[in-house]
Formats: sequence, structure tokens, C-alpha cells
Amino acid sequence: SQQGEEDPQALSIQEGENATMNCSYKTSINNLQWYRQNSGRGLVHLILIRSNEREKHSGRLRVTLDTSKKSSSLLITASRAADTASYFCATAPRDNYGQNFVFGPGTRLSVLP
Amino acid sequence: DGGITQSPKYLFRKEGQNVTLSCEQNLNHDAMYWYRQDPGQGLRLIYYSQIVNDFQKGDIAEGYSVSREKKESFPLTVTSAQKNPTAFYLCASSIGIGDRGWNEQFFGPGTRLTVL
Repeated sequence: SQQGEEDPQALSIQEGENATMNCSYKTSINNLQWYRQNSGRGLVHLILIRSNEREKHSGRLRVTLDTSKKSSSLLITASRAADTASYFCATAPRDNYGQNFVFGPGTRLSVLP
Repeated sequence: DGGITQSPKYLFRKEGQNVTLSCEQNLNHDAMYWYRQDPGQGLRLIYYSQIVNDFQKGDIAEGYSVSREKKESFPLTVTSAQKNPTAFYLCASSIGIGDRGWNEQFFGPGTRLTVL
């Protein structure tokens, strides 16, 4: 079964606004990771949050994790045109046997100047 | 520079041919991965390897094969048995898959494979 469903599928905002993307998953996890992908390129790791953590910050990024609701959110504050990309959440299973690391379909973010 | 490289960037294949995609890393990572990405979709895991001479199937391994003879290299062969191979292929590596779970992955730039 697929983990890591992002919401919304696409998001368009003005430069300077905040962007929030959500991720829901189905089974128990060890950690959840957010990645960014510019069109036609490889993915870049943004943040890893472990199942015993509730919030992490990195620069303009803020990630929250609610294991009771099996959901995570990625907030990008004061967005810039350069933030335009696809953002993926990926879930790492609690155990290393029988389940794989799974990416969601992603949220396409467009930041308009 | 440390990093992960993939070649070629673009690859064209005729139906019925096998092709091999290259992936090399100089990050001294134990684990390596191959993913397939279709337009507008997320990534799907094809194969991964936690250590030299060992690898495991991911969610969509049928029609693909891999080898891990060296720590630095994890080539992927797309065989003629893969019915719909046209896609963007991404290789990644990480420190490992250990007691603390799956670590952050470092991705190569990708290979776009087109079947003619």
C-alpha cells in the first residue's frame, strides 16, 4: 500500500507568502523525510524527522509530525521564486523487513514573482 | 567533489534490447538505490543494496536487474522483459540502513530512458 500522500497536488502562491504542504501515511514509521526536486533533476534532501520528534526547523523550513494522525506538514516561510519545485515526503518503515522506503506523488509548488 | 553520478543523461533504446544505466558514488556510502519516476508521479523503488554483493527487490523489480560488485557502483539493467521502460531513472545512496532506520538519501541527476 502506498504511503506518503501529499496534499495539495499543486500549489501556486505569490513571492513572500508562506507555503504549506501536507503528507499523510498509513503504517508505522521510523522517520519521515522531505525532499525537493527541480524539474528534470534529482531530488535534494531537506529534512528528516524521526517518529519521536514533533517539530524540526531548518532555515525557512518547518516540519511537523503527528504520529497519532499519521501526518506531517512542511511549511516554507517567506517563499521565493527559487522555491518553485516539486516537494515529496518519503516514509521509512518502522522495521527494515518487508516494507520499503516509499515516496508520495508530490506537491508541485509555483512561487510567482 | 564528493557526489553521485549517473550516465548517460539521455538514453534511447529499441524494443527488445537490454540497456544498462550507470550509477557511481564517491561518498563512501554503504547503501544504494534505484528508483523509477513517471511523469507527474512520485518515485518507485526498483532495487536497493545495503552492502557489496547483496541487493533486495523493491516494489517494481520485474524486468530489471542489478549488481553490486563494488561499493562505489550499482548499475541497473533494464531488460527486454520490462514492458514499459520509458521513464526517468534516479539512483541514490545513503550511509546505510541500520538500527536507526533509513537515512537521508543523496540523489544523482537521473537518466531519462526512451524506448523507440
